[in-house]
Amino acid sequence: GAGVSQSPRYKVAKRGQDVALRCDPISGHVSLFWYQQALGQGPEFLTYFQNEAQLDKSGLPSDRFFAERPEGSVSTLKIQRTQQEDSAVYLCASSLGVQRAYNSPLHFGNGTRLTVT
Amino acid sequence: GQNIDQPTEMTATEGAIVQINCTYQTSGFNGLFWYQQHAGEAPTFLSYNVLDGLEEKGRFSSFLSRSKGYSYLLLKELQMKDSASYLCAVPRRDSSYKLIFGSGTRLLVRP
Repeated sequence: GAGVSQSPRYKVAKRGQDVALRCDPISGHVSLFWYQQALGQGPEFLTYFQNEAQLDKSGLPSDRFFAERPEGSVSTLKIQRTQQEDSAVYLCASSLGVQRAYNSPLHFGNGTRLTVT
Repeated sequence: GQNIDQPTEMTATEGAIVQINCTYQTSGFNGLFWYQQHAGEAPTFLSYNVLDGLEEKGRFSSFLSRSKGYSYLLLKELQMKDSASYLCAVPRRDSSYKLIFGSGTRLLVRP
C-alpha cells in the first residue's frame, strides 16, 4: 500500500520567502508528526497531531513555523519569512493509533529538503 | 536532557558482522528503537526493545541492557545495500510520543 507521501521533494527558497510543505499520511492513521533533520543529525521533534488536534507544538523553533491538519488527514507545515538556519530536511511521520511511542513505530515519508539561500 | 550516543561512522566488509552501539540515559526508560535510513530516504523501523536481552529478526538483531543504558544493533552477513545510517531513538521521559534520536551511525559496507 501507499506510504507517507511528502511534497515537494526539494524546495529552494530565498531568505524571507514563505514556504508550505505538504504531508499525506497513510490513510486512517490517527497520529501525525513533523520532525526536522539537519545534515548528519538525527530527526528532531517539531509537532504532533492526533486527528485534527495539534496536541504538542513545543518543538517548533519559532513563531514563524506553523502546522495544521484541518481534516485529520493531510497536514501542512508552513514556514514564514524563511531564514538560512531553516535549511534542513523536514520529515513527516504517521502511525495508526493514538501514539504511545513505546510500542508503536512511526512510518516516515522521504521528507522535503528545504534550502534557504 | 536525554542524551543518546552512537559512533559517527563505521566501515565493514560484505559478508561480515558489524555491531553498532548506542548508549542512553536510563531514568524513565520507555523502550528503545532502531531505524535505518538510506541517504535521501525515509527512516524505516528496524526494532523495538523494552526488555533486556537479544531479539533476533533475520539478519538483524537488537540487544538491550536497561541497567547499563546500552543497546546494540547486530547486522550479520552484511550486504552492500546495508550501507545506510542507523538511528537509535528513545521516547522522551515526559512525553513518550516524542522520540529523541541519536545522530546516527553511518555504516559503509565495502566489497
